[in-house]
Amino acid sequence: AQKVTQAQTEISVVEKEDVTLDCVYETRDTTYYLFWYKQPPSGELVFLIRRNSFDEQNEISGRYSWNFQKSTSSFNFTITASQVVDSAVYFCASWGGYQKVTFGTGTKLQVIP
Amino acid sequence: EAQVTQNPRYLITVTGKKLTVTCSQNMNHEYMSWYRQDPGLGLRQIYYSMNVEVTDKGDVPEGYKVSRKEKRNFPLILESPSPNQTSLYFCASSSTDREDFGYTFGSGTRLTVV
Repeated sequence: AQKVTQAQTEISVVEKEDVTLDCVYETRDTTYYLFWYKQPPSGELVFLIRRNSFDEQNEISGRYSWNFQKSTSSFNFTITASQVVDSAVYFCASWGGYQKVTFGTGTKLQVIP
Repeated sequence: EAQVTQNPRYLITVTGKKLTVTCSQNMNHEYMSWYRQDPGLGLRQIYYSMNVEVTDKGDVPEGYKVSRKEKRNFPLILESPSPNQTSLYFCASSSTDREDFGYTFGSGTRLTVV
């Protein structure tokens, strides 16, 4: 069975600060995929990134970066120079390549101007 | 535009009155799934479907039914809704190709059962 833990329920930062959202996963699958989704106050779920278990390279996309470490079963998400528009709930998820996708409980990020 | 369309966006109903939430995707995706989102619990999978006529239970299937008679449609049926099914519901679809797997979500349906 898969499990995704997002221990940070809510985080508040002041605009322009860097913030890291933690994600720890558990899986017995040798091949698996990890995801991050953003849910802004408007409610829709927006795909941010997908990573497979064979690719531990860190990824950077503008102010967003992701750090995947199999040794610690973590897939953390960092926002550099946060902005008010980054305020949202962020979900981490895992997929073992078969049927079920498991989501964490989400981290609510509030960026204060 | 590639999208997943859910209807209705908002629904208030009474206990016991059967309802259907529709979901349709235009990306020819094999995989479709329903989730409910509740405060503090994240997204929990209700049912999923790997292809036409192939469905299976997720983590919280009690009180729900689904069908997959066509590839593009995956309706969620609540035959006798109860107040504990008040929630925000999302439909999602994806290719089953491992290299392409990644959900596209619908806009959500906020259901209130009184």
